[in-house]
Amino acid sequence: ELKVEQNPLFLSMQEGKNYTIYCNYSTTSDRLYWYRQDPGKSLESLFVLLSNGAVKQEGRLMASLDTKARLSTLHITAAVHDLSATYFCAVEPGTYKYIFGTGTRLKVLA
Amino acid sequence: ETGVTQSPTHLIKTRGQQVTLRCSSQSGHNTVSWYQQALGQGPQFIFQYYREEENGRGNFPPRFSGLQFPNYSSELNVNALELDDSALYLCASSLKVSYGYTFGSGTRLTVV
Repeated sequence: ELKVEQNPLFLSMQEGKNYTIYCNYSTTSDRLYWYRQDPGKSLESLFVLLSNGAVKQEGRLMASLDTKARLSTLHITAAVHDLSATYFCAVEPGTYKYIFGTGTRLKVLA
Repeated sequence: ETGVTQSPTHLIKTRGQQVTLRCSSQSGHNTVSWYQQALGQGPQFIFQYYREEENGRGNFPPRFSGLQFPNYSSELNVNALELDDSALYLCASSLKVSYGYTFGSGTRLTVV
């Protein structure tokens, strides 16, 4: 069974702190995607990681992919309240569909 | 780019009824997928259409069906609604899946 697991599931952090969200997956996938979802809203694409060793950064977020370890990380630098949301990773195991992770609900406290 | 638009935004149906959800893909995108997202969970793949043909299906029963039209707009139909069908239904389109999907704002379906 294909599994995509994220940890932590819930994260409460102070503004200005750094933290990393982990995404582990159980199947071969050369591509991995990160999405953000605000409460009651749709999914916003953050990063598309297309190969082993890929690293992308946008503002306070940086994502990386290690396909050999089947691991992706989403690193948050100097968190601000606006980053509060649920973050999902998704893999595409060589087929036409995405398998989404369990989601990490992030709350940044002022 | 016009984005991915879905209608209606909210819907309440009674168990046993049928529902049709609609999606207009982003301009030029010939691939559309539908996902079901239950409260507090990640989206689950329902099916995908490519150039009007079903291109793959997730673990959903046949009462979930779809269509894609020549202009790449799409419909999701659900027959014999069950309480567990209550969820946010997301439409996503892409020019090429590896480019990443653009998701619509979703339709919140409540079955009572």
